[in-house]
Amino acid sequence: AQTVTQSQPEMSVQEAETVTLSCTYDTSESDYYLFWYKQPPSRQMILVIRQEAYKQQNATENRFSVNFQKAAKSFSLKISDSQLGDAAMYFCAYRSITGANSKLTFGKGITLSVRP
Amino acid sequence: GAVVSQHPSRVICKSGTSVKIECRSLDFQATTMFWYRQFPKQSLMLMATSNEGSKATYEQGVEKDKFLINHASLTLSTLTVTSAHPEDSSFYICSARRAGGQFEQFFGPGTRLTVL
Repeated sequence: AQTVTQSQPEMSVQEAETVTLSCTYDTSESDYYLFWYKQPPSRQMILVIRQEAYKQQNATENRFSVNFQKAAKSFSLKISDSQLGDAAMYFCAYRSITGANSKLTFGKGITLSVRP
Repeated sequence: GAVVSQHPSRVICKSGTSVKIECRSLDFQATTMFWYRQFPKQSLMLMATSNEGSKATYEQGVEKDKFLINHASLTLSTLTVTSAHPEDSSFYICSARRAGGQFEQFFGPGTRLTVL
């Protein structure tokens, strides 16, 4: 079974600064998807970024980028130019490619606060 | 973008009663829907996976007779909490995957259930 580990329960960043959220995972599969989801106080889950394991290039979405290290099974999220609206809980998630019903495996999440 | 709605957003009920939560995919057909439970400051816990027209697959430890899931159409899934008790109070989130979708999984806004 796959596992996703987010070892830091909380982090804080100064507005306009950069912060990196860590995530490691364990799997025996060679192809899979990795995701970062944001859950703001409204509790609506929002997809931040995704990475297909077969792609070597790290995914980027505006101020959000990942550092995907497949051999190390590491998938960290970097938030640049942090904004107050980035304050939320962030979840790292894994999903197998095979199987129509393959499910997301979430990490425990990390609460990010942004200091004005 | 794809939208998933949930109704109601909040519900308060008395112990022993049943509560139904609806999950709808508004602008796409969802072949697979997922139901999650989330406690405050914790991760999402998958309860069950449902496919249109077939029985739901429950995760280990989830009582299928207590949490009834019906995926009657490609746009609607319902979760019924039967004989609710205070320990069932939680935040319930549904998620839908569209037909032919590779990695997209869209989340509803959640339903807060309080059992008195």
